[in-house]
Amino acid sequence: QSALTQPPSASGSPGQSVTISCTGTSSDVGGYKYVSWYQQHPGKAPKLMIYEASKRPSGVPDRFSGSKSGNTASLTVSGLQAEDEADYYCSSYGGSYNLVFGGGTRLTVL
Amino acid sequence: EVQLVESGGGLIQPGGSLRLSCAASGFTVSSNYMTWVRQTPGKGLEWVSIIYISDSTYYTDSVKGRFTISRDNSKNTLYLQMNNLRAEDTAVYYCARGSSGYSWAFDYWGQGTLVTVSS
Repeated sequence: QSALTQPPSASGSPGQSVTISCTGTSSDVGGYKYVSWYQQHPGKAPKLMIYEASKRPSGVPDRFSGSKSGNTASLTVSGLQAEDEADYYCSSYGGSYNLVFGGGTRLTVL
Repeated sequence: EVQLVESGGGLIQPGGSLRLSCAASGFTVSSNYMTWVRQTPGKGLEWVSIIYISDSTYYTDSVKGRFTISRDNSKNTLYLQMNNLRAEDTAVYYCARGSSGYSWAFDYWGQGTLVTVSS
């Protein structure tokens, strides 16, 4: 199964909002609600930021929000802060007990 | 506090075997679904395997027949037995705990252990 498509990079100034897209197919993103987003700082483990497309785990700032429409999921980071600079990965259940990740997006806070 | 600590990585020749361990604390591995995810140095994440509470196990196609996920409830530890290793298996391997609701989301991750397959 092919990886989900994410832009390789995104950027924004402090206080601005940035949206990262994650495009799949009707067999993964479009077919299930099980889309997650992870934040990964260099040399660190991934951290769950969004699950089931739009739900936030406890402890994740409400500046992070997720949505899904058709075969594309999106992560929006509002009120950008310096500590938001990291790699972001989406994942989606792909059916038949399989999980697929996106290629990752490096978010730069200018 | 939930913690996951991986071990067992290292340098191994092609065709060799390794067993990765993931020691859990702060929760019970037998009461959660658990997964292994790997990350090629400098690149993205790739899902490897999952084990459910029911002991059902599933794998990505590239490791089927070579890797086996298991757990030892008495040691509260998750394992990944890796046989017939290939150069393309070189990666940092993370274990992670499934979040509630079987949503294929993983809320706690270990720090990772590096596996290098090279002659």
